[in-house]
Formats: sequence, structure tokens, C-alpha cells
Amino acid sequence: DAGVTQSPTHLIKTRGQQVTLRCSPKSGHDTVSWYQQALGQGPQFIFQYYEEEERQRGNFPDRFSGHQFPNYSSELNVNALLLGDSALYLCASSLEVGDGYTFGSGTRLTVV
Amino acid sequence: AQKVTQAQTEISVVEKEDVTLDCVYETRDTTYYLFWYKQPPSGELVFLIRRNSFDEQNEISGRYSWNFQKSTSSFNFTITASQVVDSAVYFCALSEAYSNSGYALNFGKGTSLLVTP
Repeated sequence: DAGVTQSPTHLIKTRGQQVTLRCSPKSGHDTVSWYQQALGQGPQFIFQYYEEEERQRGNFPDRFSGHQFPNYSSELNVNALLLGDSALYLCASSLEVGDGYTFGSGTRLTVV
Repeated sequence: AQKVTQAQTEISVVEKEDVTLDCVYETRDTTYYLFWYKQPPSGELVFLIRRNSFDEQNEISGRYSWNFQKSTSSFNFTITASQVVDSAVYFCALSEAYSNSGYALNFGKGTSLLVTP
């Protein structure tokens, strides 16, 4: 049973560029959340998608946007990249809210 | 607002020692969930436990045990007879239990555990 799959695993972008990260949730899970983890810090909640709608959003600027598809997979888009956007981006899926979310291995984004 | 504090930034122990990772939380909610996750060098967060705020029973799973005390707002994690494979960063997290808008996890900054042979 595949868990959460994220792609790509690593990415290097130039400041000002745009990036799209992808996530396939664990089979049967319908809720997808995205987190940003800076080096040496705990993950910070970006937003959560359920039934193709953004259900909750953390304290992140509008440069961060997302989408959920009918098959529950999700994308995270970041526009106008800043050096401070360099981080590990984690996707988590769940079936029941408050459940033990299943996390992917993340996408390591480096902005230069 | 919710907040999770993991005061121990790094802990180093020798194999077979017991080690306790501390977690203190703040929330105005009367009902909430507490979690522990393990993050090995690969980066993936591995779910260890979820505890509902109504359930203050301590839990044991193999070498792992958790002590939940609402009176002190703490949810501590103990590894008994530590092993090298336990080396990782451990995160404590908190979320609402009832919400129409989702259940964001609020993480602490993590405790890096190094177990040496």
C-alpha cells in the first residue's frame, strides 16, 4: 500500500521564479495538507484541501496557492520565489480529520 | 492560539539508556489532539501516537511510552532501552478536535535525539 508520494524530491530555482510541487495522497485518503519546514524548525502549516476546496490556511502569503484534483492528488504552487522559501515542503494526507496524518518524504526546495 | 514547546533541542544518550522527550503545550480549546512524530534523516515524518484530550491514560507501545498530564499541559515521550535506530528528530504536535475548517497541526521545534553505540 503506497503511502504519500511527493515529486520532485529535490528542486533548485532562481529567485523570482515560480514552482509547482506535487503530492499523491495515501490510497483512500481524501484530505491533503501542505507544510513548510525550514532547516532546524518544526513544520509550519500552509493549507489544507478537502473536496477540491481550500478548507484552512495558515499564515502564508498569497504567493502560496494550491489545488486538489478529483483523484485527491494535490499541487502546491509558489510564485515570485524568495530566498526564504528554501525549505522542505511536506505533504500529509488523512481520511478522518484529526487522524494520524500520513506524511510524504517531502520536496527539498532551494532558491538561489 | 495554540503553542507547543519542546525545550530540549538536542539529547545525546548511549545505547540502552532510557530517555524522555518533553512536550509542553498551550491551548484554549477544551478538546484537542496531541501527536508525536519521528523524523529520520530521510525527512519523512513517521506517526507515532495520537492522544485525545479526554484520554489521560498513559500508553505503552513496545519500548515507547507516553505520559499525558492535563494538569501540567504536558505530553512526554519516553524511549526505554534506546537503540541507535532511535536516532532522529522527534516532534510533538497539537491540533483542534472540533473544527469546520480543518485540523492544522501545530508543531514544536523538535528534539534531536542521538543514540550512540
